[in-house]
Amino acid sequence: KAGVTQTPRYLIKTRGQQVTLSCSPISGHRSVSWYQQTPGQGLQFLFEYFSETQRNKGNFPGRFSGRQFSNSRSEMNVSTLELGDSALYLCASSADRGGINEQYFGPGTRLTVT
Amino acid sequence: KNEVEQSPQNLTAQEGEFITINCSYSVGISALHWLQQHPGGGIVSLFMLSSGKKKHGRLIATINIQEKHSSLHITASHPRDSAVYICAPRFPGNQFYFGTGTSLTVIP
Repeated sequence: KAGVTQTPRYLIKTRGQQVTLSCSPISGHRSVSWYQQTPGQGLQFLFEYFSETQRNKGNFPGRFSGRQFSNSRSEMNVSTLELGDSALYLCASSADRGGINEQYFGPGTRLTVT
Repeated sequence: KNEVEQSPQNLTAQEGEFITINCSYSVGISALHWLQQHPGGGIVSLFMLSSGKKKHGRLIATINIQEKHSSLHITASHPRDSAVYICAPRFPGNQFYFGTGTSLTVIP
C-alpha cells in the first residue's frame, strides 16, 4: 500500500504570495490532518478534514485554509505569506473507522518564505 | 488548558543502554501517539495507545491514564535509534498536541 504523499517537497516563495500544498492520503483513509512544524513552536495542529468537511481547526489565522476532495486528497492554502510561515508542513491520514485511529505521516513540504 | 511536557529534552546514551522518555499531560485524553522524527523531517508513528502497554521489537510504550503519564522505552539502544521522539496526546476536541520532543543520540 502506498504511503501518504505530499507535493511539492520543497518550495520557495516571496512574502505576500500565496501557496497551495497537496496531500494524498493512504488509499481508504478518509481523515487528513495538517500540521506546521517550526524550530520555535514545534509541531502544531492546523486542521483536520473528514469526508470533505473540516472537522477540527487549530489556532491559526484565516490566511491558512484547506479543503478535501471526494477522493480524500487534501490541499492547504496559505495566502499573503509572511516570513514566519517558513516551516515544514506535514499531513497525516488515518482510516477513522472508530477506535484510536493511528495517524500516518507524509514526508512534508518544506516552505521557505523570503 | 491542554499542555504536554516531555523529558528529558536531550539524551545521550551508549549503545546497548536502556532508555526511557517520559511524557506528562494536563487533562484526560482519548489516546496518545509516540512519534519518531529523523533528520530531514520524516515522521514515523511508533505507537498509538489508549491504555496499558504496547511492544514492538525493542520499543515499549506504556500509558497510565489516571496518572496522565506515558513512557517510551528503548531496550538495547542502537545508533540507528538516534532521532527526535515526540509524544502527542489527543485531547478532548479530538486534536493532537505535541511535546517539544526528546533528541536522542546513541553513541557506538
